[in-house]
Amino acid sequence: DTAVSQTPKYLVTQMGNDKSIKCEQNLGHDTMYWYKQDSKKFLKIMFSYNNKELIINETVPNRFSPKSPDKAHLNLHINSLELGDSAVYFCATGQFYEQYFGPGTRLTVT
Amino acid sequence: AQSVSQHNHHVILSEAASLELGCNYSYGGTVNLFWYVQYPGQHLQLLLKYFSGDPLVKGIKGFEAEFIKSKFSFNLRKPSVQWSDTAEYFCAVIPNVGGKLIFGQGTELSVKP
Repeated sequence: DTAVSQTPKYLVTQMGNDKSIKCEQNLGHDTMYWYKQDSKKFLKIMFSYNNKELIINETVPNRFSPKSPDKAHLNLHINSLELGDSAVYFCATGQFYEQYFGPGTRLTVT
Repeated sequence: AQSVSQHNHHVILSEAASLELGCNYSYGGTVNLFWYVQYPGQHLQLLLKYFSGDPLVKGIKGFEAEFIKSKFSFNLRKPSVQWSDTAEYFCAVIPNVGGKLIFGQGTELSVKP
């Protein structure tokens, strides 16, 4: 009964491929987030959805497209993967003042 | 623009030493403040938070933090660290009126047994 789960945990793929990361939360919060943690451990928000509606969309290439089929799920689809996309991607949920993070997906683009 | 600055990139301590990690933020209004911890290979966990009231807040595992509004600071402290405290520590801020959670660049803590 993990609060925020992500799949897969590890993802190794080649440049140019398209991949998706799935996120599910069972805490009942309306808001979900995607964060990117780069190789220097710097964490930055990418997207925020509230009840399936896009709220925050940081300066992220349009190759990244979040999709929220319902308020418990927020998936991240990435087209035409590039080397610089290698990072750990964290899903989170909660109110803006307190967020709960998933275990992360380590994406490696070769 | 809002920003969060953590003074120490990497801190190395021996067990039982005292810890203080610095965090300063830049934002003119009221903020909510957090410290998150990321143990090796794990996800972020909330260590403690400050919304209002007593500026000295206590979190899990013996950690505490003090909000000093005049200094825009929210430093994390622990009187006596343990080897199991080895982790990455992130300070984070969000304006009281909402918006996005802004993280500092993180401080890696290594505790030698």
